[in-house]
Amino acid sequence: EVVLTQSPGTLSLSPGERATLSCRASQSLSNNCLAWYQQKPGQAPRLLIYGTSSRATGIPDRFSGSGSGTDFTLTISRLEPEDFAVYFCQQCGLSPPYTFGQGTKLEIK
Amino acid sequence: EVQLVESGGGLVQPGGSLRLSCAASGFTVSSNYMSWVRQAPGKGLEWVSVIYTGGSTYYADSVRDRSTISRDKSKNTLFLQMNSLKIEDAAVYYCARAPRYYYYAMDVWGQGTTVTVSS
Repeated sequence: EVVLTQSPGTLSLSPGERATLSCRASQSLSNNCLAWYQQKPGQAPRLLIYGTSSRATGIPDRFSGSGSGTDFTLTISRLEPEDFAVYFCQQCGLSPPYTFGQGTKLEIK
Repeated sequence: EVQLVESGGGLVQPGGSLRLSCAASGFTVSSNYMSWVRQAPGKGLEWVSVIYTGGSTYYADSVRDRSTISRDKSKNTLFLQMNSLKIEDAAVYYCARAPRYYYYAMDVWGQGTTVTVSS
């Protein structure tokens, strides 16, 4: 079973700054299929990125995903006030279990 | 409008059972991979189970042998039957759609239903 480890646990930044969130897999994701979700308090998760680097419908282009093998990154180019939330990575594709990372909390500095 | 609405959560004693439901509108449940994901209070997301379009089912180790995912085509509804509930099963349970065109990432989520396990 693939274990996904996200870092940092908490990231403190200011609006306008660039955010870089990491997700490392315990073994290579053979299909390079990784998804990223945003979750705000009291809300369901929202899909941001699928297939490692493709933005879901309606997601602003300040969100981008990259990576391959075991190392994946979510980048938010210029933080908006509404971007402060918790972010989760997840293994997607054809092979369960569809494990999630433990999350990175992006907070306002 | 594409939507998922969960129901069936509540308070149950350890060892008890619950059947969670997830009613879909705007799309067909049986034409998509459908998953259950849970979130314990203050914790992260945990994938629980998936049912594929062909009917194959898979479970997380934490719920295998105690849970059954199923769907009703006539009602366009997804279910999760949970038995022998444990304290650690307490969580908000979400259902989610995982379409092929999103490489089976989960693009539509319900609002969640809360399961509380306590004596």
